Amino acid sequence: DSGVTQTPKHLITATGQRVTLRCSPRSGDLSVYWYQQSLDQGLQFLIQYYNGEERAKGNILERFSAQQFPDLHSELNLSSLELGDSALYFCASSVTVRGYNEQFFGPGTRLTVL
Amino acid sequence: AQSVTQPDIHITVSEGASLELRCNYSYGATPYLFWYVQSPGQGLQLLLKYFSGDTLVQGIKGFEAEFKRSQSSFNLRKPSVHWSDAAEYFCAVGEESGNTGKLIFGQGTTLQVKP
Repeated sequence: DSGVTQTPKHLITATGQRVTLRCSPRSGDLSVYWYQQSLDQGLQFLIQYYNGEERAKGNILERFSAQQFPDLHSELNLSSLELGDSALYFCASSVTVRGYNEQFFGPGTRLTVL
Repeated sequence: AQSVTQPDIHITVSEGASLELRCNYSYGATPYLFWYVQSPGQGLQLLLKYFSGDTLVQGIKGFEAEFKRSQSSFNLRKPSVHWSDAAEYFCAVGEESGNTGKLIFGQGTTLQVKP
């Protein structure tokens, strides 16, 4: 158990819908990262927050957004869902901005868009 | 731009045999390199990391990796594989520029262990 929790574990929804994925980082970790794992794209970085502020953006679609709340949990919002958004979404957390000590990954949320 | 290549998509070894998983990176300066393992239905677990110093890095579960700058490689090794090592393995590099910690992952290598 990494100490990072993600809910829900599984999500099945339809095209055009909107969903919210939630991540609670390890106690004391200020950085939260979101990654997408799909069969065709592999593991890709989406976005990073540090202590409530956006720190870096990767290949995140405009239909996707995220935020980090004062209690440091983070939510990833996916809207106007398409079939291609079906993937495993990971959250990771680290103490520092750079995260080079270690990024601790949650178990992921598996999103299926039908 | 940084990139990571894992040339082997799938590898099968017999239990007790040695293992080497290949990783090549493209990077401007001294890289921060990582190996993660993902078991089915699980998240990613860090096996080992290289920041600087000794180029042979020891990790958990009996794994080690060697950083070779001249070959831009960071191959993962284990002298004797156990059935429980069957999983997907990812090599990653930490971003160079900016004050972030994002990781760039290779495509992964699936390890199958034969009894």
